[in-house]
Amino acid sequence: GNSVTQMEGPVTLSEEAFLTINCTYTATGYPSLFWYVQYPGEGLQLLLKATKADDKGSNKGFEATYRKETTSFHLEKGSVQVSDSAVYFCALSSHDTGGFKTIFGAGTRLFVKA
Amino acid sequence: ETGVTQSPTHLIKTRGQQVTLRCSSQSGHNTVSWYQQALGQGPQFIFQYYREEENGRGNFPPRFSGLQFPNYSSELNVNALELDDSALYLCASSLARDRSNYGYTFGSGTRLTVV
Repeated sequence: GNSVTQMEGPVTLSEEAFLTINCTYTATGYPSLFWYVQYPGEGLQLLLKATKADDKGSNKGFEATYRKETTSFHLEKGSVQVSDSAVYFCALSSHDTGGFKTIFGAGTRLFVKA
Repeated sequence: ETGVTQSPTHLIKTRGQQVTLRCSSQSGHNTVSWYQQALGQGPQFIFQYYREEENGRGNFPPRFSGLQFPNYSSELNVNALELDDSALYLCASSLARDRSNYGYTFGSGTRLTVV
């Protein structure tokens, strides 16, 4: 079945450091891929998305490229801020003969120190 | 535009009871999905409704059931509650076209405790 694997946290970085959170997936067909973010005390928010291979999703300085050849959708940001401290979830949505499904990774907690 | 609202925010039920959780979708959205999130884990997909019909289901038993109404609001019903059903239940809506999902807007969730 479909699955999403993301790097375990927590990830601790200093302000202005480069961020990468790895995400790989297994899926039949052509899923859509997403990153969601959950800030402390808040609900899940869509951060960025990509709906087909080689698409790059971007938002708030974060980027992720849909790589079908490596089945990956790694999240990157060139310079993190303290306000980026949150839990990040990679997710895929797919539609096949079994119906529609969305699968989330376990989440990666990011701490950014000033 | 209004977001996704869920009610109640917190709920305590006894094992074996039944519970109904409610969700109002974001205006203009035609799809609603429900998730169970245990502490420290990612959301687990329960099912999704598109235009009032279930069009996808995760690995949850039949005692988890749902409805989507013509105004695109939704209910999640859980029968014969078990202690392991204690979790945060999230509702999310989206605007789906064809078979594509363009990303969900999530509600803040209902915290269910089964004792």
